[in-house]
Amino acid sequence: AQSVAQPEDQVNVAEGNPLTVKCTYSVSGNPYLFWYVQYPNRGLQFLLKYITGDNLVKGSYGFEAEFNKSQTSFHLKKPSALVSDSALYFCAVRDIRYGGATNKLIFGTGTLLAVQP
Amino acid sequence: DAGVIQSPRHEVTEMGQEVTLRCKPISGHNSLFWYRQTMMRGLELLIYFNNNVPIDDSGMPEDRFSAKMPNASFSTLKIQPSEPRDSAVYFCASGEDSRPGELFFGEGSRLTVL
Repeated sequence: AQSVAQPEDQVNVAEGNPLTVKCTYSVSGNPYLFWYVQYPNRGLQFLLKYITGDNLVKGSYGFEAEFNKSQTSFHLKKPSALVSDSALYFCAVRDIRYGGATNKLIFGTGTLLAVQP
Repeated sequence: DAGVIQSPRHEVTEMGQEVTLRCKPISGHNSLFWYRQTMMRGLELLIYFNNNVPIDDSGMPEDRFSAKMPNASFSTLKIQPSEPRDSAVYFCASGEDSRPGELFFGEGSRLTVL
């Protein structure tokens, strides 16, 4: 079965420090992996994706993620956190049961990022 | 583009009443999703349409829930009769096959059933 796991319910980091939000996946075949962010009282927003190619993927707002096949991980990173980065972050994998170019995603449980000033 | 538009943004109703949530996806998108989000259960996929056809409705809680997509620019999620445990934020999202997995979410409809 396909799945993603976000082992941390919450991550706390001081402003200016680097941040990492962890995600591991379980997929047969090559995964399509995604990160989404949800600010308070808003819908989810697409941040970045990995499909193929360079293992380091850059996305919106200075975020990047590193695909690691041997560790089946896709951790979200940012070199210097901002207070405005405080939000709920979701990792997701494309559901391959429908094949083709399906948009159906399997989301993780989310990690709340709190950046202290 | 205005993005995915959902209405109403907030709905307060009494148990037993019918609730209808509406969604207008982004023009040109051919996938549409209804999600439900609560503190207890997190983000749950209710139903997935592709080219207006329901592909996966296994997340629809029970017969009280129904969803329709009569055309490419409109979808509804109906709850009849509503119950307090249906209280949640309901999100609609749309996407296109050429950009798999890149979904655009609406701002959500916050439903409170008393």
